[in-house]
Amino acid sequence: QVTLKESGPALVKPTQTLTLTCTFSGFSLTTSGVRVSWVRQPPGKALEWLARIDWDGDKFYSTSLKTRLTISKDTSKNQVVLTMTNMDPVDTATYYCARIWTTVAGMSFDIWGQGTMVTVSS
Amino acid sequence: QSALTQPASVSGSPGQSITISCTGTSSDVGAYNYVSWYQQYPGKAPKLMVYDVTKRPSGVSNRFSGSKSVNTASLTISGLQAEDEADYYCSSYTRSSTWVFGGGTKLTVL
Repeated sequence: QVTLKESGPALVKPTQTLTLTCTFSGFSLTTSGVRVSWVRQPPGKALEWLARIDWDGDKFYSTSLKTRLTISKDTSKNQVVLTMTNMDPVDTATYYCARIWTTVAGMSFDIWGQGTMVTVSS
Repeated sequence: QSALTQPASVSGSPGQSITISCTGTSSDVGAYNYVSWYQQYPGKAPKLMVYDVTKRPSGVSNRFSGSKSVNTASLTISGLQAEDEADYYCSSYTRSSTWVFGGGTKLTVL
């Protein structure tokens, strides 16, 4: 069974750095074609793609947020970590991690975590 | 990267068919056959319904179908059922090796 689960603080203060962890099971991030992405969704608003890390270590970021984002992986722990610096109240959102596996479902997010809500407030 | 354009809302009666459009540019929707559609219930994570424009994951009803013409993709739901009432998002892989989502469409089953 393939699962992903996000974890991190529920509340961060403005200007702080957010660190989120995606812990997954049922697949390996060393398998060719496997990628993990982060997507967020502010309350009542649309989904927004943030970042992706590939099986071979390649990393890609949202153009508008790339200066604030860092994505990394620990394949031994089956984890992907996203850090976002200089948090602002507009960054309040549910943050999801999701799998992409081109062999299974092309360039789409076929399995999603349950999401973790992050509120930015002083 | 600008969001893909979707209608804010669509509605239909049980048994009817509805279509949700998703308009992008030659840098995203028109660039590859990598458009996907997601269904999201309130408070829940999105669920993949269609990928690579026309393909359905295992377990997704064949009432859901996708298509694309140039820079506009579409999701059609036939034989509308009450359980289809949800938010639907399109997404496209882009020439920049990133993804872009649509603004979302709220489907109401009358």
